[in-house]
Amino acid sequence: ETGVTQSPTHLIKTRGQQVTLRCSSQSGHNTVSWYQQALGQGPQFIFQYYREEENGRGNFPPRFSGLQFPNYSSELNVNALELDDSALYLCASSFGGLGRNEQFFGPGTRLTVL
Amino acid sequence: DQQVKQNSPSLSVQEGRISILNCDYTNSMFDYFLWYKKYPAEGPTFLISISSIKDKNEDGRFTVFLNKSAKHLSLHIVPSQPGDSAVYFCAASDRNDDMRFGAGTRLTVKP
Repeated sequence: ETGVTQSPTHLIKTRGQQVTLRCSSQSGHNTVSWYQQALGQGPQFIFQYYREEENGRGNFPPRFSGLQFPNYSSELNVNALELDDSALYLCASSFGGLGRNEQFFGPGTRLTVL
Repeated sequence: DQQVKQNSPSLSVQEGRISILNCDYTNSMFDYFLWYKKYPAEGPTFLISISSIKDKNEDGRFTVFLNKSAKHLSLHIVPSQPGDSAVYFCAASDRNDDMRFGAGTRLTVKP
C-alpha cells in the first residue's frame, strides 16, 4: 500500500505565472483535500474533491482551482501567482468525503513565488 | 480568522516527564477535534481525536482532554520520549467538516 505522494517537492515561480501541483492519493481513498501552510501557521483548507467533484471550499479566491481524476489523483492549479502564495502546499487523502475521516497527508510541495 | 489557537509556539520537556500541549477554539459549532504530529519534511500524521460528546480519549501514552465550556482541549503525553519531538497541530471541524488548524506547537523532549 503506497502512501500519499506529491510532486514536485520544490518549485520556484515568479509573480503572475501559473503553477500546477500534483497529488496521488493513498490506495483505496476517494477523497483528496488541499491545504496551504504559510510559514509559522497551521494548514489552511483550500478545497476538497470527492469522487471527482469539488466537495467543499475554504476562503481562497477562484484563481485556486483543482481537478480530481478517475484514479482519484488530484491537481491544484494556481493562476496569477502572488508573493503571498509562497507556502507549503499539502494534500491529504481519505475515504468517504467527510473531514472527520482520518486524513493521510503527503509531504507537501514547497512553492516559492519571487 | 483564527478559530483555533495554539498560544504556545514551543515547549521543552525532559524525557520521562509529562508534556501538555494546549489548544483553544472560538467556534461553538466545532464538534470534532484532532491532534496531528509533524516531523520535518513530512506531512502531518494523525495522532488522536475526540468527539464533543466525550471529555477524554486515551491511546497509549497520549490522552486528549476536552473542556467544552472553556472551549479548550489539551494533549497529554506521558511519559515523553525524545522521538516525540515534533510540531503538534490541533484541528477542529464542524458539521460541514470544514477543518481548521492551529498554528502548531513545537515540542522538544530532551534526553
